[in-house]
Amino acid sequence: DAEITQSPRHKITETGRQVTLACHQTWNHNNMFWYRQDLGHGLRLIHYSYGVQDTNKGEVSDGYSVSRSNTEDLPLTLESAASSQTSVYFCASSELQASYNEQFFGPGTRLTVL
Amino acid sequence: DQQVKQNSPSLSVQEGRISILNCDYTNSMFDYFLWYKKYPAEGPTFLISISSIKDKNEDGRFTVFLNKSAKHLSLHIVPSQPGDSAVYFCAASGGSSGSARQLTFGSGTQLTVLP
Repeated sequence: DAEITQSPRHKITETGRQVTLACHQTWNHNNMFWYRQDLGHGLRLIHYSYGVQDTNKGEVSDGYSVSRSNTEDLPLTLESAASSQTSVYFCASSELQASYNEQFFGPGTRLTVL
Repeated sequence: DQQVKQNSPSLSVQEGRISILNCDYTNSMFDYFLWYKKYPAEGPTFLISISSIKDKNEDGRFTVFLNKSAKHLSLHIVPSQPGDSAVYFCAASGGSSGSARQLTFGSGTQLTVLP
């Protein structure tokens, strides 16, 4: 069955370290997204990609970067982790349909920056 | 400024009764609306959606109502079951072809169904 996976599921790191969160989907979807979930804010878009070599900034992109070298993967990198980046991170993918725009989500990565 | 708002952070309902979750939006360009359900330690999962050309969409126990003039939508769950206890997110998309692929989420409502 097609799926979307994230790794690691839990990560503890220190301020200033570089961290990369992996996202892999086997839906063969063109569109991939990274969100962070924080209490009171719901899901906020960090970066997104509409295809290989395409990346775009979302609402809360400062301090984050992504790259898209193939259809299946969209890794999220925190260049220099900050305590404000402690959050739960979700990756999602979708294929634009004429009638709906459902995104499929991964299980999430809980990141703690000390 | 939040474009999609869920003003009730939590809702408690007795098993068997109706649960009504509300969502308001401000962007008139939104033309597609979705509800997602999220259990702890899992990713959100799609529940039901509605296009702006409709005012109601039903799927089993779940019905979504859209009032475009009021920029308001609601999710009705009848009858509510303990397994429905989760966080429910409202989401919207629309506008130009690029932004149509993006979803803007509300802050979520924690539904608790009491046995």
